[in-house]
Amino acid sequence: KQEVTQIPAALSVPEGENLVLNCSFTDSAIYNLQWFRQDPGKGLTSLLLIQSSQREQTSGRLNASLDKSSGRSTLYIAASQPGDSATYLCALQGGSEKLVFGKGTKLTVNP
Amino acid sequence: GAVVSQHPSWVICKSGTSVKIECRSLDFQATTMFWYRQFPKQSLMLMATSNEGSKATYEQGVEKDKFLINHASLTLSTLTVTSAHPEDSSFYICSARDGGRGAGSTNEKLFFGSGTQLSVL
Repeated sequence: KQEVTQIPAALSVPEGENLVLNCSFTDSAIYNLQWFRQDPGKGLTSLLLIQSSQREQTSGRLNASLDKSSGRSTLYIAASQPGDSATYLCALQGGSEKLVFGKGTKLTVNP
Repeated sequence: GAVVSQHPSWVICKSGTSVKIECRSLDFQATTMFWYRQFPKQSLMLMATSNEGSKATYEQGVEKDKFLINHASLTLSTLTVTSAHPEDSSFYICSARDGGRGAGSTNEKLFFGSGTQLSVL
């Protein structure tokens, strides 16, 4: 059974800092990995999707990496802004279409 | 990008009543929709997979008679929480896959609704 762990559970940084969010998983037989952003009381916004054959994806100030052999993924956010404050979720898709989510990292970027 | 509309955004109901949540794909046909539930400080957990025109597939531990799912069209799936109790209070969110795109394209991203916060008194 796939288990997804996200560390840290919460993170508070000053504006402008570069930061890394971590995601680890127990079963490397994945189809893809996605990073989502969730704002309070709202749905999920897909940020980056990494196929199992890929090692990283970039979108603007975001960069996500995937290392299946070690069961890890990181989300790097450059030059953080207060608008980046949200909960970031890591989710893995296995052979079926089901997504297995981590509990998320709550990020607060202070002005 | 693809849009999934979910209503209502929040609902408060009395114990014993039923609540219906709608999930609509606005600009694509969703052959498959997924219903998730999230308790406070917990991860999103898949409840059931809904396929258009067929019965939903429920995850282990999810009561199919309590959480009724209907996916009668390619753009609409509904989740009805029957005889709701306080322990059913949770954040419910749907997602949909665009059935019109080929493999390897952005359809592998699942598009999520905005979620429904259910509070049962």
